[in-house]
Amino acid sequence: GESVGLHLPTLSVQEGDNSIINCAYSNSASDYFIWYKQESGKGPQFIIDIRSNMDKRQGQRVTVLLNKTVKHLSLQIAATQPGDSAVYFCAESAGNMLTFGGGTRLMVKP
Amino acid sequence: GAGVSQSPSNKVTEKGKDVELRCDPISGHTALYWYRQSLGQGLEFLIYFQGNSAPDKSGLPSDRFSAERTGGSVSTLTIQRTQQEDSAVYLCASSRAIGGQPQHFGDGTRLSIL
Repeated sequence: GESVGLHLPTLSVQEGDNSIINCAYSNSASDYFIWYKQESGKGPQFIIDIRSNMDKRQGQRVTVLLNKTVKHLSLQIAATQPGDSAVYFCAESAGNMLTFGGGTRLMVKP
Repeated sequence: GAGVSQSPSNKVTEKGKDVELRCDPISGHTALYWYRQSLGQGLEFLIYFQGNSAPDKSGLPSDRFSAERTGGSVSTLTIQRTQQEDSAVYLCASSRAIGGQPQHFGDGTRLSIL
């Protein structure tokens, strides 16, 4: 999701459930994509990245899916934990710079 | 630590004053980036440095903003004659090379202009 001002899209999930955070990107020439997690008062923390020659990449409890046809990126978090509560940003790159989306807030209910 | 280090973590200053923000990148990272993040917003690119190449200043919002990177390592972002709209968190990131690499961020400097 994309943000509008202070009103970040929010995803609320129950602890232990799976979370899916979505991101639409704009540049069809983008060939590198990345997800960051940002906790309050901290800088963005790298989670996982994917290049355009792949559709799926898995990490520890996280999976990134890339659909180039519809320019859509998603982050799946398995067995969501309270420590996963944060704002998640996607970013795309077609060259030297990253262009960030507006962020989605993930809230995990105990 | 081995991460990106930024100082100060917080800076409060009066409108019209100049401020300097410092970034120590991860050792060996040749690319260094500055971003600005306003409350509840995404990251706005300001400037990046890659090795000895001329920096890409295309994101700097006005000529009051400038940055230097000395010796290919530490960088300083300077804002002259600060305005209230400059209040934001200024984030620095570094990466092993330019393009197609994860950028690793510091925790930022929270700048408040009174």
